[in-house]
Amino acid sequence: NAGVTQTPKFQVLKTGQSMTLQCAQDMNHNSMYWYRQDPGMGLRLIYYSASEGTTDKGEVPNGYNVSRLNKREFSLRLESAAPSQTSVYFCASSELMGIGETQYFGPGTRLLVL
Amino acid sequence: GENVEQHPSTLSVQEGDSAVIKCTYSDSASNYFPWYKQELGKGPQLIIDIRSNVGEKKDQRIAVTLNKTAKHFSLHITETQPEDSAVYFCAASRLAGTASKLTFGTGTRLQVTL
Repeated sequence: NAGVTQTPKFQVLKTGQSMTLQCAQDMNHNSMYWYRQDPGMGLRLIYYSASEGTTDKGEVPNGYNVSRLNKREFSLRLESAAPSQTSVYFCASSELMGIGETQYFGPGTRLLVL
Repeated sequence: GENVEQHPSTLSVQEGDSAVIKCTYSDSASNYFPWYKQELGKGPQLIIDIRSNVGEKKDQRIAVTLNKTAKHFSLHITETQPEDSAVYFCAASRLAGTASKLTFGTGTRLQVTL
């Protein structure tokens, strides 16, 4: 039982390049999330998927798109990377999105945009 | 929307001493307050949580207190050990429709020195 896995672990991009961050969970969870973590700013929600087939914007969605490929997988795409998107990206999942649901986080993807 | 402030940003204590981290929230409708611990190179992990109908919750060496009137909650770690060294995040959430999203504080880096 691997929990939440993310690939790649580390990526360097040039401004304007595109890439997709992959996330998968093996806990049969319905809800999945993408956060970014920046120094002094905590974790901020980019997009979430309350259940398979649905996605919604979080606090900082600009410059990103997501796809809930199936119940296990939730990908985050940067169409045209900018230096402001340099960050550590975390994927998380929870059984549901109700109050009190524990979110389980992946190990993160460190992205550097030059 | 919700705003969560967390203090201090860094905290250094000697092994065996206690550590206290404080958070305030702005939305009086928030009713669930989890604490996450993030070890170096890993994703955050839930360590304890509290709901608004409870004033205090304890789990071995960690405890959380909640003051709904003042809209603040705190994490207390007693008898600190080197393995408690990590970044700690508080969060707050409320149910909006059928979804509950976490708003995180900015984090506290705790260092336990020998």
